[in-house]
Order: sequence, then C-alpha cells, then structure tokens
Amino acid sequence: NFMLAQPHSLSESPGKTVTISCTRSSDSISNNYVQWYQQRPGRAPTTIIFEDDQRLSGVPDRFSASIDSSSNSASLTISGLKTEDEADYYCQSYGNTNWVFGGGTRLTVL
Amino acid sequence: EVQLVESGGGVAQPGGSRRLSCAASGFTFHSFAMIWVRQSPGGALQWVSAISGSGSRTDTADPVKGRFSISRDNSRSTLYLQMNNLTVADTAVYYCAKSPPSSSMVAIDNWGQGTLVIVSS
Repeated sequence: NFMLAQPHSLSESPGKTVTISCTRSSDSISNNYVQWYQQRPGRAPTTIIFEDDQRLSGVPDRFSASIDSSSNSASLTISGLKTEDEADYYCQSYGNTNWVFGGGTRLTVL
Repeated sequence: EVQLVESGGGVAQPGGSRRLSCAASGFTFHSFAMIWVRQSPGGALQWVSAISGSGSRTDTADPVKGRFSISRDNSRSTLYLQMNNLTVADTAVYYCAKSPPSSSMVAIDNWGQGTLVIVSS
C-alpha cells in the first residue's frame, strides 16, 4: 500500500501565501484523484478541493491545488492568508480499493 | 442543503458491538456512494469503509475488515456501520460522508459532524 507524506506543520503570516505538499510513496500521483480537506480546531472536516484541482462550491479562490508528476506530489496553495485559515489540512487519494489520508499539516497563521 | 447526521456513538466494552447510523437529507441518497471515516483523539483521519449508491459494492479498510460492516437503507436515506469485536484502538470520532458523483467511492464532498465511540472497560 502507498503512503501520502505531508509536512507536520507550517507557519505563515496573514496576507502571505503558503503551499502544503503531499508526496505519494509509490505508484504515480496522477493515477488517482487527490482531495484536500480542512479541519478547523474542534470541528468536523470540510472539503476544499476534489479531483486534483476542483474547488468545492463556496470555497474561496484563494485556495488552489495542483499535481506535479515529476515529484510525484500534490500541492495545496493558500494565498492571502487569513487567521480563519488556521487549521489542519489533509490530502487523500485512492488505490487498489484502498483510501489513504496523509498525516495532516497543521497550519498556523500568525 | 446536504445534511448528514450521525448517531449511535457512546461507550462500548472491548469485544462489544455498536451500530452507527447516519441520516441523510438534501440530496437523492440512492444516487451517491457513502463513506465512513474515523479520527482517533489527536490523530489523523482514517478511512473505514465505503458503499456504492445501490449498496452492491463495498470496500473496507484492512484494520476493520471482518469486524465492521457498512450498509445502507435507501428507502430511509440512512447509512449504517455495524462494529463488532471492538478494541480500544477503535476509539474515535466516526464521520459519515458523501461522495461526489464524478469520483464515486474515491472522494468526499460533504461531511457529517461525527459521533464519538469510546471503547473502554
């Protein structure tokens, strides 16, 4: 089975841009869609991005995502950071009837 | 508006059983695959199981295979998770979730608020 590796934590200032990476350990990242979920403290997760780069309805266009086959990774970019973006972010993909979530990245905005 | 409301959480003894339910509304339930995801205290998200819209196909994660069973009643717009032979490692918040139509059973677009299951003697 494959794994999805994310940085454990990131910190950035309001108004800046941050990119969270998600690297697949085996098989091509392009073989299966990658999703991104946001989980604010004490809350249920919500979906930001599905099918690699599709924003869910209502998600601000400050959030974008992409796939890089050369590094076998996916990335979530948040521009114009706001304090409300402070949350845990999880990538997720699929393979061989099995779902895999990344370990999550805790984003601090201060 | 999509709404997913889980119930059935609580305290169970090791080796015991619990059945979770998820009442769905705001969409045509039988047309969408549904998912269970769990999160242990302070831990990451972990996929548990998925079921197709008709219920004819199910996938289940290895850690719970043979102990947990996903099912659905499309006439009641309700998703279930039957959990047997529980262990302390199954202690988690269990989330019900819905798949988008274009990536059925491989992604989530809507989540419930979760129900907490604590396995303890």
